[in-house]
Amino acid sequence: AQKITQTQPGMFVQEKEAVTLDCTYDTSDPSYGLFWYKQPSSGEMIFLIYQGSYDQQNATEGRYSLNFQKARKSANLVISASQLGDSAMYFCAMRDAPDAGNKLTFGGGTRVLVKP
Amino acid sequence: DVKVTQSSRYLVKRTGEKVFLECVQDMDHENMFWYRQDPGLGLRLIYFSYDVKMKEKGDIPEGYSVSREKKERFSLILESASTNQTSMYLCASSFSGPPLHFGNGTRLTVT
Repeated sequence: AQKITQTQPGMFVQEKEAVTLDCTYDTSDPSYGLFWYKQPSSGEMIFLIYQGSYDQQNATEGRYSLNFQKARKSANLVISASQLGDSAMYFCAMRDAPDAGNKLTFGGGTRVLVKP
Repeated sequence: DVKVTQSSRYLVKRTGEKVFLECVQDMDHENMFWYRQDPGLGLRLIYFSYDVKMKEKGDIPEGYSVSREKKERFSLILESASTNQTSMYLCASSFSGPPLHFGNGTRLTVT
């Protein structure tokens, strides 16, 4: 069974600083995908970034980057130059193996509060 | 932009009532999903569907059923609501695979 673990239930970060959100996963499938979503207080889930298990380079999208360490089964999200609007819940998720469908399994989430 | 619309933002129901949560997407996506979100547990998959009239159980299907009569609409049904089904319910859709596009959620309270 696949599992996603986010060990940080909540954290504070100073505006303009970088923050790293931890995510470890457990799977025996060689092919998988890792996703990060942001959920502001409005409740919508916003897709941030994707990393495929066979991707050679770490994914980046603007201020978001994914520190993918395959051997350690970790996929940490790095947010650079934090802004007040980054205050939200952040979820790490993993896609099942392709032949098992396109479901995502989510971690418990990390709440980030950016301080001015 | 993909739009996934959930019919109610907030819902209050009584124990034993039959509850319908509706979800509509406007991008002709094949895949649709229902998750529930609880603090510390993240999102857990209840049911999903890859096509009209097709459904598959997720990780926590007990107490729920679904209906997909049309491609754009995926309904979650609580046959007899119970207090432990008080939660945030999120609908999502996708084309051939992730990422999923989510609705804004329905916060259901069962009293």
